[in-house]
Amino acid sequence: GAVVSQHPSWVICKSGTSVKIECRSLDFQATTMFWYRQFPKQSLMLMATSNEGSKATYEQGVEKDKFLINHASLTLSTLTVTSAHPEDSSFYICSARRRGDNQPQHFGDGTRLSIL
Amino acid sequence: LAKTTQPISMDSYEGQEVNITCSHNNIATNDYITWYQQFPSQGPRFIIQGYKTKVTNEVASLFIPADRKSSTLSLPRVSLSDTAVYYCLVGDGGLTGGGNKLTFGTGTQLKVEL
Repeated sequence: GAVVSQHPSWVICKSGTSVKIECRSLDFQATTMFWYRQFPKQSLMLMATSNEGSKATYEQGVEKDKFLINHASLTLSTLTVTSAHPEDSSFYICSARRRGDNQPQHFGDGTRLSIL
Repeated sequence: LAKTTQPISMDSYEGQEVNITCSHNNIATNDYITWYQQFPSQGPRFIIQGYKTKVTNEVASLFIPADRKSSTLSLPRVSLSDTAVYYCLVGDGGLTGGGNKLTFGTGTQLKVEL
C-alpha cells in the first residue's frame, strides 16, 4: 500500500490564528512531499514541493512566509498557515512520493480550513 | 510541464465501459502519464500510471499510442460509485530530479447513472 494520512481533516479558527496541518506517509518513506490547495469546483493548485531535510520550493504567487512548510523526516511534512484570514479558507491537500524513479504521488484526504 | 486537455464531463450508465481520453501534445521524453480519481472533499486517489503502450491493473486500463501525445483511461463496467472527477497528469517521475511535479488540469467529471 501507499497510505498518506493528513490531520486534521477539518478545522475552524478565528482570523489571525496560525494553523498547522500534518501530512504523514504511514507505510513508506517519502523523499518528496507536495502541498496543494483546492477551491470549490476547481482543480488542485500546487503550492509547494518539499524534500526531506531541505527547504521547500514554492510556486509563483505563494507566499513562503505565509505558508510555512517543514519536512523534517521521511514520513512527516507540516504546513503552517500563519496569521490566517478568511481568504485562506480552502481545502488543503498533501501528497507524498516514494523514493525511486517513476513513483506516483499518493494523496492524503485533505484538510478543510475555514477562517472566521 | 506538459499541459493536458480532457473533456469537462462525461455521462454513462452502470455496467458500461467508459473511455476518457486526454491530450498531452507536448509531453516530454521523460514524462509518465498518471490518472487520478477524486471524490468530493477527498484527496485524489491513484488509479494507474504508464509510459507507453498498454497498462492494466485491477481497476482500469491505460492505452498510450506510439506518439504518446494522448492517452485513454478505460474503466470497465462502471458503477454509481465511479461517479467522480478524473484527472490526467504527466510528469517526469523524478528522473530529472524534479520530484515528479505535476500540474492538474480541469479534469473530467464522470457521472454514472442507473
